[in-house]
Amino acid sequence: DAEITQSPRHKITETGRQVTLACHQTWNHNNMFWYRQDLGHGLRLIHYSYGVHDTNKGEVSDGYSVSRSNTEDLPLTLESAASSQTSVYFCASSEPGQGIHEQYFGPGTRLTVT
Amino acid sequence: GNSVTQMEGPVTLSEEAFLTINCTYTATGYPSLFWYVQYPGEGLQLLLKATKADDKGSNKGFEATYRKETTSFHLEKGSVQVSDSAVYFCALSDTSGNTPLVFGKGTRLSVIA
Repeated sequence: DAEITQSPRHKITETGRQVTLACHQTWNHNNMFWYRQDLGHGLRLIHYSYGVHDTNKGEVSDGYSVSRSNTEDLPLTLESAASSQTSVYFCASSEPGQGIHEQYFGPGTRLTVT
Repeated sequence: GNSVTQMEGPVTLSEEAFLTINCTYTATGYPSLFWYVQYPGEGLQLLLKATKADDKGSNKGFEATYRKETTSFHLEKGSVQVSDSAVYFCALSDTSGNTPLVFGKGTRLSVIA
């Protein structure tokens, strides 16, 4: 069965370190998204991609970067981790549709920055 | 821009109680509307959806009707179970379907036996 996976599931890192969170989907979807989830804020979009070599900033992109070198993967990099980036991160994918599309979510990565 | 507003929680109900979680939206054109559910420790999964006015989405005993006149998509269930305890997100997709979903902030539901 097709799926979307994230790794690691839990990560503790120190302030200032570079961290990369992996997202891999086997749906062969063109669209991929990264969100962070924080209490009181719901889901906030970080970055998204509509295909290989395409990346776009979301509403909370500062301090994060992504690159899309193939269809299956969209890694999220925190260039210099900050305590404010402690959060749960979700990756999602969808296929461009004609008026409707459903996003499929990964299980999430809990990141703690100390 | 497009936006979604849903009732703040947490909502605590006894088993077999009636559930309503309100969701209203602001959007141009005819967006598609979704309810996603997030069980503890998991990612979000689609619960139900509706693509045009007066459509009713339904799944697992939950229902929501796309009301364009009131720009609403309220989630209802006639008799909740402990296993329904989760966070529920209302979301919309614009007419093209090719822009990121816009999510509400989520409503946490706790059902007690």
